[in-house]
Amino acid sequence: DAKTTQPPSMDCAEGRAANLPCNHSTISGNEYVYWYRQIHSQGPQYIIHGLKNNETNEMASLIITEDRKSSTLILPHATLRDTAVYYCIVRVEGGTSYGKLTFGQGTILTVHP
Amino acid sequence: NAGVTQTPKFRILKIGQSMTLQCTQDMNHNYMYWYRQDPGMGLKLIYYSVGAGITDKGEVPNGYNVSRSTTEDFPLRLELAAPSQTSVYFCASSYPLRGPSSYEQYFGPGTRLTVT
Repeated sequence: DAKTTQPPSMDCAEGRAANLPCNHSTISGNEYVYWYRQIHSQGPQYIIHGLKNNETNEMASLIITEDRKSSTLILPHATLRDTAVYYCIVRVEGGTSYGKLTFGQGTILTVHP
Repeated sequence: NAGVTQTPKFRILKIGQSMTLQCTQDMNHNYMYWYRQDPGMGLKLIYYSVGAGITDKGEVPNGYNVSRSTTEDFPLRLELAAPSQTSVYFCASSYPLRGPSSYEQYFGPGTRLTVT
């Protein structure tokens, strides 16, 4: 699986957009980018995933660069409840991967009032 | 749907004791997983299962055992507890179909275990 690099921490003002970057320069063509978050003391929560097209759902948007070497998770209007650790995960689809995930250190996002 | 439930929420064990962490999901997911999370760290995969009767080791299986007799339940057994097993344990499950959706995992609330 491709290695990912995320900043250890970021701050954001409430109501503003939070843009969380992830570098995955060794990603291969059949690897997807997944984002999860973990609010303090809770289990991780799936946010969004994508292959090469930008994706949007009710929680966030995922922007993947054309060369697929990096991506950005966007929370359009951050709230205090979005304070969490955000994990960017790259995984190949299918085969014997069986949906296993490898979590790194993630980015601690703190949303300030 | 209750989703993924775990019991107990908290437990303190003495060194050498054994216990079973329970995990149940009611979403008919074939894939189930056990992770542990040490303070300030990301999650590490202990064991996983792709269906009843089928289990396999993850990244950190030593000191643990699992079984999967039904689709719903995936208990994790700790034998001879050691202080190094002090951690938060999360169970998760995911969709039965192969493909990108198999990585959309649903996590339980966790079990906080202290071994002293």
